[in-house]
Amino acid sequence: AQSVSQHNHHVILSEAASLELGCNYSYGGTVNLFWYVQYPGQHLQLLLKYFSGDPLVKGIKGFEAEFIKSKFSFNLRKPSVQWSDTAEYFCAVPSGAGSYQLTFGKGTKLSVIP
Amino acid sequence: DAGVIQSPRHEVTEMGQEVTLRCKPISGHDYLFWYRQTMMRGLELLIYFNNNVPIDDSGMPEDRFSAKMPNASFSTLKIQPSEPRDSAVYFCASSPQLANYGYTFGSGTRLTVV
Repeated sequence: AQSVSQHNHHVILSEAASLELGCNYSYGGTVNLFWYVQYPGQHLQLLLKYFSGDPLVKGIKGFEAEFIKSKFSFNLRKPSVQWSDTAEYFCAVPSGAGSYQLTFGKGTKLSVIP
Repeated sequence: DAGVIQSPRHEVTEMGQEVTLRCKPISGHDYLFWYRQTMMRGLELLIYFNNNVPIDDSGMPEDRFSAKMPNASFSTLKIQPSEPRDSAVYFCASSPQLANYGYTFGSGTRLTVV
């Protein structure tokens, strides 16, 4: 079954710094990928998703992600982070027979220092 | 649409007691998922339903856990008897079709078993 790995457990940045969070998926073929964000004490919200087509996907709040098939990667980026971006970020991929369920990575906690 | 609605938001109970968590999915969504989130294990899929029928419950940790979906607008997750290691945030999510379309999560129930 498909899986994703997020190598950064905790990232600390100052405001206005650029962000890149890594996500690698386990094997090739047709793949759909997601990034979710969880603000402190809240539920997961969809940030962006990739189905096909343009490998550069734009999401909400200025986030984007690039699908690089040769690297099995779907890294999340933002040119300039704000304190309000402090949250935990999860990469996810459909998995299981029939791809009915999402498997989430362990998450990367982002702390933005004002 | 009010989104996925979970209740209660917080539950504190004593070890050995029965706990029932509730979820109302988004109207028209065919799939409903129960996840558990802990610091140690991250997000784990417990069970999911398609059109009110349980499809995969392999993630349910043990027989103390049970889930039902008596109709398209309501699901419960029951733990009986509860144990301290069940303390976690339990999320319900729903999806209109396959996971390829992403989930909408509820706000979660934070369960503390003392």
